[in-house]
Amino acid sequence: DTAVSQTPKYLVTQMGNDKSIKCEQNLGHDTMYWYKQDSKKFLKIMFSYNNKELIINETVPNRFSPKSPDKAHLNLHINSLELGDSAVYFCASSHRDSSSPLHFGNGTRLTVT
Amino acid sequence: AQSVTQPDIHITVSEGASLELRCNYSYGATPYLFWYVQSPGQGLQLLLKYFSGDTLVQGIKGFEAEFKRSQSSFNLRKPSVHWSDAAEYFCAVGANQAGTALIFGKGTTLSVSS
Repeated sequence: DTAVSQTPKYLVTQMGNDKSIKCEQNLGHDTMYWYKQDSKKFLKIMFSYNNKELIINETVPNRFSPKSPDKAHLNLHINSLELGDSAVYFCASSHRDSSSPLHFGNGTRLTVT
Repeated sequence: AQSVTQPDIHITVSEGASLELRCNYSYGATPYLFWYVQSPGQGLQLLLKYFSGDTLVQGIKGFEAEFKRSQSSFNLRKPSVHWSDAAEYFCAVGANQAGTALIFGKGTTLSVSS
């Protein structure tokens, strides 16, 4: 019954590695997002897709590449991981734009050593 | 562009006491305002939202918020706090515009003392 699910919940890896986080929503929403929450709990938008089309791409290093195979899925691939990438990454979805409430996944805690 | 300010980083309230968390927003058009709560190790849960109409909105878990356009504020209140309310609270502002995302404040940590 999970509305927005993301995997894995925890990800520990070394600098220089490549990793992916997967997200799926079963709410029938058209728009999906990736947010990054840093160690001070600040939430910052990274990307947004509407019906598989990239509509928001904030100032994020090119090492981060989102992919949306269909409107129910949004994955995040990160190349050449750096220490500063350590954070909690949240997937979210909504009906359309930011006038609609976001539904969040439980987050993926990424630790880069 | 939208922005949100939560002036209080950390608040401690006694169990049973009333609570008010402050939120100020900046947006030129009609704002869409939200309060979310995040418990440790969890995602964010929507407490309540304001789009239009009655400026006092009721949410889940006994929370309410009042929209005051003249003060650009959307403060969250609860008459009697329970120990389980200890969490991180985020105010967010959105827009009825394609290509936008919710902008969050930096959050207020609520501690509840017995």
